[in-house]
Amino acid sequence: AQSVTQLGSHVSVSEGALVLLRCNYSSSVPPYLFWYVQYPNQGLQLLLKYTSAATLVKGINGFEAEFKKSETSFHLTKPSAHMSDAAEYFCALSNDYKLSFGAGTTVTVRA
Amino acid sequence: NAGVTQTPKFQVLKTGQSMTLQCAQDMNHEYMSWYRQDPGMGLRLIHYSVGAGITDQGEVPNGYNVSRSTTEDFPLRLLSAAPSQTSVYFCASSYVTGGGYEQYFGPGTRLTVT
Repeated sequence: AQSVTQLGSHVSVSEGALVLLRCNYSSSVPPYLFWYVQYPNQGLQLLLKYTSAATLVKGINGFEAEFKKSETSFHLTKPSAHMSDAAEYFCALSNDYKLSFGAGTTVTVRA
Repeated sequence: NAGVTQTPKFQVLKTGQSMTLQCAQDMNHEYMSWYRQDPGMGLRLIHYSVGAGITDQGEVPNGYNVSRSTTEDFPLRLLSAAPSQTSVYFCASSYVTGGGYEQYFGPGTRLTVT
């Protein structure tokens, strides 16, 4: 069975500060890992994905994530938060065409 | 390409009513899925299809039916709506690439059951 755990349902950061969202996974086979962002009342947008080509994955809007097999983690970071980063973020895993999602982390950005 | 489209965007039902959520994609993707999103639970897979005429259950299939008569369409039917089915529903289509599967999501349908 595969699963995703996102640590922290809410994260609050100051504008310009580091954003760190934590994701741990469990999978019996090497997984594909994803981060999605959802802005209020909108659908899901793919931020980045890990496909085993490189452990450090760069995505859109200045986000990146590092795959660490020894820690079964795929944490998402952004060096400097912007007000427009306020949204809900989902980590997801797939071994095929179906996705297993974490519970989500809501990010608020303080001016 | 319109991508993945869903109708309606919003719907209010009374308990016991039935309805169909429509999903269509124009990318000729083989795989399609339905997810529901609830606060604090992320998205959970309801049903999925690996091609026309082939469907299977996901994590939370009870109370929902699907069929896939064409590659393009994958409707989700609520047989007898219950308040527990109040949720946001997302349809997705996907295809296989050299780096796994590429997923495309529709804009969602917000359903309220009273």
